[in-house]
Amino acid sequence: DTAVSQTPKYLVTQMGNDKSIKCEQNLGHDTMYWYKQDSKKFLKIMFSYNNKELIINETVPNRFSPKSPDKAHLNLHINSLELGDSAVYFCASSHRSGVQYFGPGTRLTVT
Amino acid sequence: SQQGEEDPQALSIQEGENATMNCSYKTSINNLQWYRQNSGRGLVHLILIRSNEREKHSGRLRVTLDTSKKSSSLLITASRAADTASYFCASVEPGTYKYIFGTGTRLKVLA
Repeated sequence: DTAVSQTPKYLVTQMGNDKSIKCEQNLGHDTMYWYKQDSKKFLKIMFSYNNKELIINETVPNRFSPKSPDKAHLNLHINSLELGDSAVYFCASSHRSGVQYFGPGTRLTVT
Repeated sequence: SQQGEEDPQALSIQEGENATMNCSYKTSINNLQWYRQNSGRGLVHLILIRSNEREKHSGRLRVTLDTSKKSSSLLITASRAADTASYFCASVEPGTYKYIFGTGTRLKVLA
């Protein structure tokens, strides 16, 4: 069974559209994360939820809104997509500050 | 920028040689972790070293940590072509769930 899964794997959309990426973990972890990896492979944390509560919210445009319906799910909704949003988005989970388990990534291309 | 720094940015070696990657971070840490990312995939955890540890081994991996210099190194001994990947360090601040990733080292092992 996949520990951390994300859907979709690829997302191609036009500027101005709204899209969502879903993430689920079956590891029983209490903390989930969204990261953005740009074309230079830099990995930056965007959001983190602990037990459904937002605990990290980095300098991210408010067009990005995470939602955690329960401990096992963390979704990312993006409004009014821009060209600069093109990147690979990774979901991850961990127990406190331990080992992080990453999903396979969602490659978002905005045209 | 909070981004950790890694060097070299890229490293190309022959199979059987050792590969050393260095990581510097900016804040005090709870632990430091190393991850590997194969092309087009999510990150996979390799090894975790706590702030009160100086060295740790796991198979062909050896990690050192110098908290006075805020630096860590990852040594891969007897490298194999399958070790070709990008390697990232991630520092975790005490009392937080925040992981700060380094800029990554792209390792290429030539058969």
